[in-house]
Amino acid sequence: EAQVTQNPRYLITVTGKKLTVTCSQNMNHEYMSWYRQDPGLGLRQIYYSMNVEVTDKGDVPEGYKVSRKEKRNFPLILESPSPNQTSLYFCASSFRTPGQGGSTDTQYFGPGTRLTVL
Amino acid sequence: GQQVMQIPQYQHVQEGEDFTTYCNSSTTLSNIQWYKQRPGGHPVFLIQLVKSGEVKKQKRLTFQFGEAKKNSSLHITATQTTDVGTYFCAGQGYSSASKIIFGSGTRLSIRP
Repeated sequence: EAQVTQNPRYLITVTGKKLTVTCSQNMNHEYMSWYRQDPGLGLRQIYYSMNVEVTDKGDVPEGYKVSRKEKRNFPLILESPSPNQTSLYFCASSFRTPGQGGSTDTQYFGPGTRLTVL
Repeated sequence: GQQVMQIPQYQHVQEGEDFTTYCNSSTTLSNIQWYKQRPGGHPVFLIQLVKSGEVKKQKRLTFQFGEAKKNSSLHITATQTTDVGTYFCAGQGYSSASKIIFGSGTRLSIRP
């Protein structure tokens, strides 16, 4: 089954304790992206990757790191989490960088990771 | 930087009534995408509009992209309870074509 998976789905942690949220897709997609969703703010892009070893900042990259060593995986790293990073996080992927028109632009979202930083 | 404003924030309608949500961008967009997120779920891609003045239909849903490629709308005719959820637009500009900027969403609730 074609899907985007995220782990963990729920996480409660404390300020300063490094954590990684994993994202994996089995569709051979080139483009992957991380978003955070907060009430009243919609989804804001944190980082995106157009292919292996190619990553770039989205709108709200501060406090986050990513890596893309393999095509299927795009982990999100919080080196020193703070309470303002409490949010719902979504990973998404598409066959290629969206915007060129056509069905290959469809972004598939993972189920989400709800993170609470105390 | 590029911003995408979406209104209204909430819409509560009687089942069978129509519903419209609007998005406006501060800059010209290369394309705009629409997503639906059911309560407790994740965003699901609905459609992408690329051409100036483009209109696309999916059953009771009609999507429009403005002539200037700075605004877009989603119209649902005769809403049903299955339409409940939050609808997001997401735009991509020309200068940073790989970044995707989401609107804040319109939450649709329906009275049976």
